[in-house]
Amino acid sequence: RKEVEQDPGPFNVPEGATVAFNCTYSNSASQSFFWYRQDCRKEPKLLMSVYSSGNEDGRFTAQLNRASQYISLLIRDSKLSDSATYLCVVDRSGGSYIPTFGRGTSLIVHP
Amino acid sequence: NAGVMQNPRHLVRRRGQEARLRCSPMKGHSHVYWYRQLPEEGLKFMVYLQKENIIDESGMPKERFSAEFPKEGPSILRIQQVVRGDSAAYFCASSPQETGGLLNTEAFFGQGTRLTVV
Repeated sequence: RKEVEQDPGPFNVPEGATVAFNCTYSNSASQSFFWYRQDCRKEPKLLMSVYSSGNEDGRFTAQLNRASQYISLLIRDSKLSDSATYLCVVDRSGGSYIPTFGRGTSLIVHP
Repeated sequence: NAGVMQNPRHLVRRRGQEARLRCSPMKGHSHVYWYRQLPEEGLKFMVYLQKENIIDESGMPKERFSAEFPKEGPSILRIQQVVRGDSAAYFCASSPQETGGLLNTEAFFGQGTRLTVV
């Protein structure tokens, strides 16, 4: 089983839609969870951290389910500018802190 | 406060040559990570360094690849005798400290070096 798994998509949605991505991780001892966004041929940038209690930032909501070892990202009222690849990041626990990336989920928002 | 600086942004090498990729972390950051991203693939961890120390190199190929982070100057990822399969985007990230008991330490990325081996 891969350390961090994501459905690569693409998710193709109209503007204004709500879309959700899931990500599963294999190491139950992982402590840090993030969603990053990567635009084509650019560097990844932090979208939001994921806290145990769940957290919201505007149109974006992230949730963590430790029992099932997955995290989710919900995007409401999708904008054209949300089109990007969304990367799930989990620390590789058990020693040094190493951010470990999923392959990413591609989102395409169309008019 | 300048971000993570990588250079060169683009590098073209012929097969068999050496490639040197540089990364200057954000000011105050002492931890550097190198990742490789192949086309249509995710970021694969290569190596984690602190000043003058390699902490984890479990993602580094056994041959031809090496990394350093000297006391002074940038971190260097060195690829000897490059082959076409080394063509990829190489990203460097820095963070201020190891997580330890601290949760949710963000890693800041440079713009990457795109290596093309011809």
